[in-house]
Amino acid sequence: QITLKESGPTLVKSTQTLTLTCTFSGFSLTTPGVGVGWIRQSPGKALEWLALIYADDTIYYGPSVKDRVSITKDTSKTQVVLTVKTMDPVDSATYYCIHTSLNTGWYVFDSWGPGTLVTVSS
Amino acid sequence: QSALTQPASVSGSPGQSITISCTGVRSDIGAYDYVSWYQQHPGKAPKVVIYEVNKRPSGVSNRFSGSKSGNTASLTISGLQAEDEADYFCISYTSTTTRYVFGAGTTVTVL
Repeated sequence: QITLKESGPTLVKSTQTLTLTCTFSGFSLTTPGVGVGWIRQSPGKALEWLALIYADDTIYYGPSVKDRVSITKDTSKTQVVLTVKTMDPVDSATYYCIHTSLNTGWYVFDSWGPGTLVTVSS
Repeated sequence: QSALTQPASVSGSPGQSITISCTGVRSDIGAYDYVSWYQQHPGKAPKVVIYEVNKRPSGVSNRFSGSKSGNTASLTISGLQAEDEADYFCISYTSTTTRYVFGAGTTVTVL
């Protein structure tokens, strides 16, 4: 069974850097075709994808944040870390960690963490 | 502004069937069979109910079905039940540099 869990600060100040950690189990991020990423959801409901890293170290960034975001993986710790620089109140959202695998479905986010709400104060 | 267009809301009575549309362009829905649909109950994370246009993950009710025609994908819920009341999002792969495009979501209300 695949599980993912987000952790990190719930409140950050404007201009600060946000660092979130996704700790996962039930799969290996060394298996070809497997990826872990981040999607956020604003209070108004819209979903926005931020970053995705695959087992082969291929990385993709979402268009709206690509200049401020980075993603790394630590396969020994079964963790993926998302960093977002220069946070702004508009970045306030629930941040979800997701799993995807080209082996079980193409371009589908088949498992999600429970999410973590991040608020940016001005 | 979302890249995929969904109706803001759809409603139906218990037992009825409803269909949610998701309209994109030639570079996403029109070109690839990589459309997925997600159900989200209030306060919960989204859960995939359909992937690759019409495939259902294990454990998802067969009342959920998907289809595609041209640049528009559709999710149909048959035999509507109270537990189906939720938000539904569509996501598609795109050949552009954005890689994924999202719909804004549709709120399904069971009358």
